[in-house]
Amino acid sequence: AQSVTQLGSHVSVSEGALVLLRCNYSSSVPPYLFWYVQYPNQGLQLLLKYTSAATLVKGINGFEAEFKKSETSFHLTKPSAHMSDAAEYFCAVIRGSSNTGKLIFGQGTTLQVKP
Amino acid sequence: ETGVTQSPTHLIKTRGQQVTLRCSSQSGHNTVSWYQQALGQGPQFIFQYYREEENGRGNFPPRFSGLQFPNYSSELNVNALELDDSALYLCASSPQRGARETQYFGPGTRLLVL
Repeated sequence: AQSVTQLGSHVSVSEGALVLLRCNYSSSVPPYLFWYVQYPNQGLQLLLKYTSAATLVKGINGFEAEFKKSETSFHLTKPSAHMSDAAEYFCAVIRGSSNTGKLIFGQGTTLQVKP
Repeated sequence: ETGVTQSPTHLIKTRGQQVTLRCSSQSGHNTVSWYQQALGQGPQFIFQYYREEENGRGNFPPRFSGLQFPNYSSELNVNALELDDSALYLCASSPQRGARETQYFGPGTRLLVL
């Protein structure tokens, strides 16, 4: 069965500092991995996705994530935080062979950006 | 290009009632998935519809049912509402079914059951 664990329900950084949001996955078959962002009172917006091509994935708004099979991780990073990055971030996994779009989400990490 | 839209935005019901939530998929998308997001939690998969047929279901009881129309819009119906059904219900559409396809989410319907 697939699952994801997001380490740290709340992360606080200063504006301009590095953002690191952690995600570890569990999957018995090659997974596809996603990061979504949710702003208050809104739906989810895709930041980036890994579908077994390049292990370093670049997304929107300056975010990127690296797929590390040996560590079963897919951590999200951004070199310099902006106030507008404050939001809820979700890591999600799908079994790569799945014919159903059953995204399995982590519990989420709230990112706070301090001025 | 119009994105995924959902209606209504907010809804208040009482325990035991029935509710219907609606979703219009993005143009060109034939697959719709529904998720339930309880407060402070990640979304949980309810079911997916592909070309008007159910294409997978999560761990939700039968009182959660759905429908997809020929124009690929979709409805989520919940019967015999319980207090724990209070949540944000998210609809997502994708161009095709399958793991590789990106799911584009609507803004959600917030349901409160009293």
